[in-house]
Amino acid sequence: DQQVKQNSPSLSVQEGRISILNCDYTNSMFDYFLWYKKYPAEGPTFLISISSIKDKNEDGRFTVFLNKSAKHLSLHIVPSQPGDSAVYFCAATTTYNFGNEKLTFGTGTRLTIIP
Amino acid sequence: EPEVTQTPSHQVTQMGQEVILRCVPISNHLYFYWYRQILGQKVEFLVSFYNNEISEKSEIFDDQFSVERPDGSNFTLKIRSTKLEDSAMYFCASSGGDRGLSNYGYTFGSGTRLTVV
Repeated sequence: DQQVKQNSPSLSVQEGRISILNCDYTNSMFDYFLWYKKYPAEGPTFLISISSIKDKNEDGRFTVFLNKSAKHLSLHIVPSQPGDSAVYFCAATTTYNFGNEKLTFGTGTRLTIIP
Repeated sequence: EPEVTQTPSHQVTQMGQEVILRCVPISNHLYFYWYRQILGQKVEFLVSFYNNEISEKSEIFDDQFSVERPDGSNFTLKIRSTKLEDSAMYFCASSGGDRGLSNYGYTFGSGTRLTVV
């Protein structure tokens, strides 16, 4: 039961261009979404998040867009840099259970930035 | 910046043996989690722990698994009799439930690679 899906296993982008990573979810109870970056043999590192009451959140080069009606979110990285090469995971949770937010992860997208 | 620390970084064990994976969560956090990632697959939730008891567990977390907070700082995951399919990266995470932070202070450790042979 894949409640969170990332349909693109990999993505290659030229340095300086925009990287767009996509994520779809099926569970309507999800109300908070997070993006994590992961290098091999390391734990997921938090990048940016968005609450379901918003449709956009921006932090420096990273912007997350949420389309609730389509149950779709995307992460935009502008401009892309070589250090952005990693696996990116979308995660979702329901925040009704205060502090005990189990994260449901997508399968990840491997982003490669080409110099 | 506060970190979640996991030891060992890599553990090799024989099938049927017991293993204990150790984690030191961030000191003022109250909620603790274990996740795992089988090679090439997604990160999966195993269990959450609060107030010295399990608050939620997944189907993966069967009777072979247990968690404990033996003292004020450590949080352990025990697998009683390991199987080949338990080979994975195991990640500990902790959170303070602080909704003022954009990630709820949800922080992952760097993981323990468990190899069952």
